[in-house]
Amino acid sequence: SQQGEEDPQALSIQEGENATMNCSYKTSINNLQWYRQNSGRGLVHLILIRSNEREKHSGRLRVTLDTSKKSSSLLITASRAADTASYFCATVASYGNNRLAFGKGNQVVVIP
Amino acid sequence: DTEVTQTPKHLVMGMTNKKSLKCEQHMGHRAMYWYKQKAKKPPELMFVYSYEKLSINESVPSRFSPECPNSSLLNLHLHALQPEDSALYLCASSQEGGRDPHTDTQYFGPGTRLTVL
Repeated sequence: SQQGEEDPQALSIQEGENATMNCSYKTSINNLQWYRQNSGRGLVHLILIRSNEREKHSGRLRVTLDTSKKSSSLLITASRAADTASYFCATVASYGNNRLAFGKGNQVVVIP
Repeated sequence: DTEVTQTPKHLVMGMTNKKSLKCEQHMGHRAMYWYKQKAKKPPELMFVYSYEKLSINESVPSRFSPECPNSSLLNLHLHALQPEDSALYLCASSQEGGRDPHTDTQYFGPGTRLTVL
């Protein structure tokens, strides 16, 4: 099964609200990454959090990592219509090479 | 330049055709990847090239044949595909190919939308 698995939810929020999505995984990891994908196009790397980090910020993004629970969350603050996309978490296992294991993805719709 | 380019953007082919997908990056990355993505699904890894050598083949059928002519180029040759091979094919590259997994971010191209009739 896949390394990273988001809760299978679709979010629909108003512009300006915060969006939170979660990811769980099963094995020991080196890092966890979040990607955004617009309309079936290429993935855009958002943020990488290492296994020894607990929280990371990048602009309006906040990522947390709880290795004891094997879970991560991505928070987008003050959402914009342009944030409408699918968001995937992906993990790199601690035992192997740089093989990304993607989770199922969350569809986020931000209503203007 | 942090761009990975892919051509063509769209491709329609018959099951008897032979076609190729191309990927290029000029970031000096030494690892390149092919992924397949079906609608509403996450990307699935197909192949990894590290320093121009095939390092991972995820049990992909032989009708998909990767080629890495040099460190900047990655091709995927297609032959005798099936309709179920229709998908978005994504190329990605990363700097070190796994030698420093803590920081080896993968950069993705826009993909080739493949339809097999």
